[in-house]
Amino acid sequence: EIVLTQSPGTLSLSPGERATLSCRATQSVTSNYLAWYQQKPGQAPRLLIYGASIRATGIPDRFSGSGSGTDFTLTISRLEPEDFAVYYCHQYISSPRTFGQGTKVEIK
Amino acid sequence: QVQLRESGPGLVKPSGTLSLTCGVSGGSISSNNWWNWVRQPPGKGLEWIGEIYHSGTTNYNPSLKTRVTMSVDKSKNYFSLRLSSVTAADTAVYYCATGIVGAPRLNYWGQGTLVTVSS
Repeated sequence: EIVLTQSPGTLSLSPGERATLSCRATQSVTSNYLAWYQQKPGQAPRLLIYGASIRATGIPDRFSGSGSGTDFTLTISRLEPEDFAVYYCHQYISSPRTFGQGTKVEIK
Repeated sequence: QVQLRESGPGLVKPSGTLSLTCGVSGGSISSNNWWNWVRQPPGKGLEWIGEIYHSGTTNYNPSLKTRVTMSVDKSKNYFSLRLSSVTAADTAVYYCATGIVGAPRLNYWGQGTLVTVSS
């Protein structure tokens, strides 16, 4: 099983600042089958990034993904008020599919 | 665009069986998709339960495999989850979600349904 570890657990930032979230895997996530989701309270997760770096339909370009192998990053270039949420990484190359434990981006 | 909607009892007794269905609209259950279940205990992270293809092929999380059964009803365009021998640890919001075969990131999600295990 591929275990995903996200850091930091919580990120306290102000609107307009840059957010950098990390996701590290215990084994290589081949074919870059790594996705990022955003979840707001009381809502289902929403797909932001797949294939490590491809924005899903309708996702603003302030969201970007990078990385390969075992180290992946989600960057939000300038935080908007609606971006404060919890973010999860997810690998879908092997079964069982797994999620990271989440990073909460909160308003400082 | 595919829309998913979970339905089922919100309260299940300990040692009982949790049963949920996920209705699919805007698309066919027979399309080239994996149909997934994911759960989230209150205040915690996401846990993948398993996935099913319209042929009946399944992949389950080994941590739940002995208690999980998934099925598909092509005539009614829905898929189902059964989780047996439930305990309080199974209390969670249960989501259904889908992704295409070959690259099954989860593009579409239901709104989720809270299932509480309590006597």
